[in-house]
This record gives sequence, structure tokens and C-alpha cells, in this order.
Amino acid sequence: DTGVSQNPRHKITKRGQNVTFRCDPISEHNRLYWYRQTLGQGPEFLTYFQNEAQLEKSRLLSDRFSAERPKGSFSTLEIQRTEQGDSAMYLCASSIRDWGNYEQYFGPGTRLTVT
Amino acid sequence: SQQGEEDPQALSIQEGENATMNCSYKTSINNLQWYRQNSGRGLVHLILIRSNEREKHSGRLRVTLDTSKKSSSLLITASRAADTASYFCATEIKMDSSYKLIFGSGTRLLVRP
Repeated sequence: DTGVSQNPRHKITKRGQNVTFRCDPISEHNRLYWYRQTLGQGPEFLTYFQNEAQLEKSRLLSDRFSAERPKGSFSTLEIQRTEQGDSAMYLCASSIRDWGNYEQYFGPGTRLTVT
Repeated sequence: SQQGEEDPQALSIQEGENATMNCSYKTSINNLQWYRQNSGRGLVHLILIRSNEREKHSGRLRVTLDTSKKSSSLLITASRAADTASYFCATEIKMDSSYKLIFGSGTRLLVRP
């Protein structure tokens, strides 16, 4: 399967614990995006990378959140000292920004539950 | 923050009927995209319309864009039960040297067999 993959698919953690999610984009895609989606809402942009450079961060991304894409391939999203409000689906997407090609390909998401 | 708003929030139709969903947004856009999300799964890109385009077709999908009214519509013709999903419009806006995709809250479509 050459689509975007995310691991784990589900994560249950206790408040205060740290969690890390991984995203593997489509191999030739140089752009990678992270979104958060809560029930009944559309995805909210968190951050994005072009190759290994993090170019944009949302104000939603507090100091407890950090994302990396060390070699311009896979990416990790870490949440430190999780809070119940962090419970959501975390979606990763990737794209190639060629002229005239803007669509994003989404992974299945990681559902985080903070108890 | 700028965000697309879909209307209606929920829509229930009979198989074979057409479904129309609307999206409104607030600021200038680079393009507008529609995505579908089945229950508990990732989003799938359906169609993209650029800011200088007014109408686009893809199979049973027809999208219109009116930049003067800052609105778009998605028409699904001859609906099928498999079209049951949430549909999101997403506007791509330019932020300094980068682009950002802003999603609306979605329309939940139920197609009854």
C-alpha cells in the first residue's frame, strides 16, 4: 500500500503522560501536514513541513506539542503532559506541490483518548 | 479565523435523488476543495476548483464557485447508498510564503436505499 500511514491507530493514555504519533507520507511527497479533528467538526490545521523544514505552526499548537520530520520522510507529533482536551483524531496528510497539483492525501488518523 | 461553513449540516435523501451542499467562506482563496470522510476513516479528496474557475465536473460530481459571493456548491447526482458520508469544503489560502487548507464543519449526508 503506497498511501499515507499513521501509527498507532488508537492511543489511550492517562492525563499527564506523553504520547508520540508517527506518520509515513507517500514516498515522493515533499509536503507533510498535521491536523486535529474533534467529533462533528472538520480538521483543524496544526502544522506543516516542506521536506524537513517546519514552515507553519498554528496557534492551536501549544508548547506541549512538537512535531519533527528529521530526514524529510516520516514525521512524529509528540504531545507532552496530555490533557483531556487533547482527546481527538490526529490526521496526517501529504502532497506534492507541483504546478496545478494541490490535493492532499490523508492517512487514517490516530485516535487519542486522554482519561 | 477564516473557515468554510457548510450548509446544511445534515441531509437525508433517497437513493437516486440529487444532493446539494453549499459552502461559504470569508477571505480570498487560492482554490477550494471538497473532501469526503466515511465514518471513522480518513478524508478522501473529491475535486478541486481554482479561484479563476466557475464550474467543474468529475463523474457524478459538479462543483460551482462564485468568488463574488464567496460561496461554492457541491452537487452529487443520482446518489447511491455508498455516498453516505460527511462532506467537507476546504479553502486554500496564502499565508506569507506558504499555503494553508482551512476546513469547514461539514455536511453529513445520508442516502437511504
